[in-house]
Amino acid sequence: DAGITQSPRYKITETGRQVTLMCHQTWSHSYMFWYRQDLGHGLRLIYYSAAADITDKGEVPDGYVVSRSKTENFPLTLESATRSQTSVYFCASSEPMSGANVLTFGAGSRLTVL
Amino acid sequence: AQTVTQSQPEMSVQEAETVTLSCTYDTSENNYYLFWYKQPPSRQMILVIRQEAYKQQNATENRFSVNFQKAAKSFSLKISDSQLGDTAMYFCAFMRLNFGNEKLTFGTGTRLTIIP
Repeated sequence: DAGITQSPRYKITETGRQVTLMCHQTWSHSYMFWYRQDLGHGLRLIYYSAAADITDKGEVPDGYVVSRSKTENFPLTLESATRSQTSVYFCASSEPMSGANVLTFGAGSRLTVL
Repeated sequence: AQTVTQSQPEMSVQEAETVTLSCTYDTSENNYYLFWYKQPPSRQMILVIRQEAYKQQNATENRFSVNFQKAAKSFSLKISDSQLGDTAMYFCAFMRLNFGNEKLTFGTGTRLTIIP
């Protein structure tokens, strides 16, 4: 299917476990982003990537790891999950060369850390 | 760093009425984009409208329009003839106009309820 897909949509895990959230886009957009959404905070940027093998920290990167070996994939890993990482996570992509300057978002992944 | 402020956590309005959501931002940049995104109960983030700061004309998309006041750093969203499907969280967002820097900074959101 065309678009940007996130998996899993829902995940429950325990403190200390490693969790990976997947993001896949079919447009070959160069930019990809991970945001987390928490009540009272809106969406905050965790990490972003300008191209394969290029990643950079956002506003709240602590406790997260990303990689981008292929343009279409941008997984987010919580190496040792904490309760404060309970949140809804959104992946997004954009293509600066299009001139549209618009981020398109995935459907979100709700993560609960017990 | 840029900040975006939405001072109305919740609003409600009767169906068919007009409602205005407020947004202010702080930046030292002169060239940038502003956005309104809608998040219905499905949780999907949907682009509502976009405004380029260098354009004086306010953007409109059907029933949605903005009042962009660059000097005041204000960017409000007006929804005319509100419909039940407009019930959602609305987020104001800022993006620097800088090739290769398409990060969005979001406000905390306004929860809008349309009352039948």
